[in-house]
Amino acid sequence: DSGVTQTPKHLITATGQRVTLRCSPRSGDLSVYWYQQSLDQGLQFLIQYYNGEERAKGNILERFSAQQFPDLHSELNLSSLELGDSALYFCASSVTPGQNYEQYFGPGTRLTVT
Amino acid sequence: GENVEQHPSTLSVQEGDSAVIKCTYSDSASNYFPWYKQELGKRPQLIIDIRSNVGEKKDQRIAVTLNKTAKHFSLHITETQPEDSAVYFCAARNTGNQFYFGTGTSLTVIP
Repeated sequence: DSGVTQTPKHLITATGQRVTLRCSPRSGDLSVYWYQQSLDQGLQFLIQYYNGEERAKGNILERFSAQQFPDLHSELNLSSLELGDSALYFCASSVTPGQNYEQYFGPGTRLTVT
Repeated sequence: GENVEQHPSTLSVQEGDSAVIKCTYSDSASNYFPWYKQELGKRPQLIIDIRSNVGEKKDQRIAVTLNKTAKHFSLHITETQPEDSAVYFCAARNTGNQFYFGTGTSLTVIP
């Protein structure tokens, strides 16, 4: 167990809908990352937050948005869903000040768009 | 930005043999290089890492080497076992604490 939690584990929804994925980082970690992994694909970096502020953006579509809250949990919002958005979405956390800077992944949310 | 290349994309070895996966990076300021193992449908798990001030690190059957001058690092697995079969990702972290991943290597260990 990495200490990073994600909910829900599975999500099935229809095209055009909107969903919210939730992530709680490891205790003390300030940075949260979101990744998308489609079938047999690598990890596509979407976005990074550090202590509530957006730090870096990757290949994130305009239909997607995220935020990190004061308690450091993060949400990834996916709207106007398309079939191609079906994927595993991972959250990872890092940066506990004064400690190591390893990045640990949550168990992922499997999104299926029908 | 950083660019991480990983080779090979697939690798098959006989049980007991060694496996080597190589990665190169472009940003000389990158300072931390983790390796992740991912089994089908599961989360990537950190298996070993190395910082830029170290040339080699070993943990039982797994070792990582780093050549800062050439900007490449490698994962070495000795005495491979069937349970080592998985996809392995390398990554490089820059000074902004952003992680750049390689495209993955699918390792199959044949019993």
